[in-house]
Amino acid sequence: DAGVIQSPRHEVTEMGQEVTLRCKPISGHNSLFWYRQTMMRGLELLIYFNNNVPIDDSGMPEDRFSAKMPNASFSTLKIQPSEPRDSAVYFCASSQGNTIYFGEGSWLTVV
Amino acid sequence: GIQVEQSPPDLILQEGANSTLRCNFSDSVNNLQWFHQNPWGQLINLFYIPSGTKQNGRLSATTVATERYSLLYISSSQTTDSGVYFCAVRGGSSNTGKLIFGQGTTLQVKP
Repeated sequence: DAGVIQSPRHEVTEMGQEVTLRCKPISGHNSLFWYRQTMMRGLELLIYFNNNVPIDDSGMPEDRFSAKMPNASFSTLKIQPSEPRDSAVYFCASSQGNTIYFGEGSWLTVV
Repeated sequence: GIQVEQSPPDLILQEGANSTLRCNFSDSVNNLQWFHQNPWGQLINLFYIPSGTKQNGRLSATTVATERYSLLYISSSQTTDSGVYFCAVRGGSSNTGKLIFGQGTTLQVKP
């Protein structure tokens, strides 16, 4: 399997622009997670889905962030409008049972 | 929610040395995993170990669930072991749900 695939790998955008991050989980995995990593806050869970249904979005920082999982093989994390403090690495991960597998991350810089 | 503390926060070793990394958690867990984040940012799953002991080459891990801690042992360290080591746990009884990450131990192995 190709693993968890994220795109884009790197994005630089201007403040106020919409950002869409994409994730393809490992085939057959029924849980999908979006994490954000920053120096100050470490790895934070933003939201996770089980069988395409959002289970816990308590980590989503504010209304500017939204996530969808329209089917078992695709998820998006959208930031609108983006702000400089959103600059971080955004990881998508998937699991089937106990072990979680991470994508390579999307490095976002908002200037 | 469950708290995860890792120690030490930073560690510098000479190549060939052994080390022990510790993860303490504040409540009972049904999932505990160790990850290595390499200098390129990739998060690699090392062990799924909610209890007991496992070994994989030069790495081994032990979790004493009743005492709420886990240890990661690195023997004969190599420069490629450098990076950040994370412990992540999930509390409760469900086999789905969010993994909470510790702040990590940053390891530097010098040649």
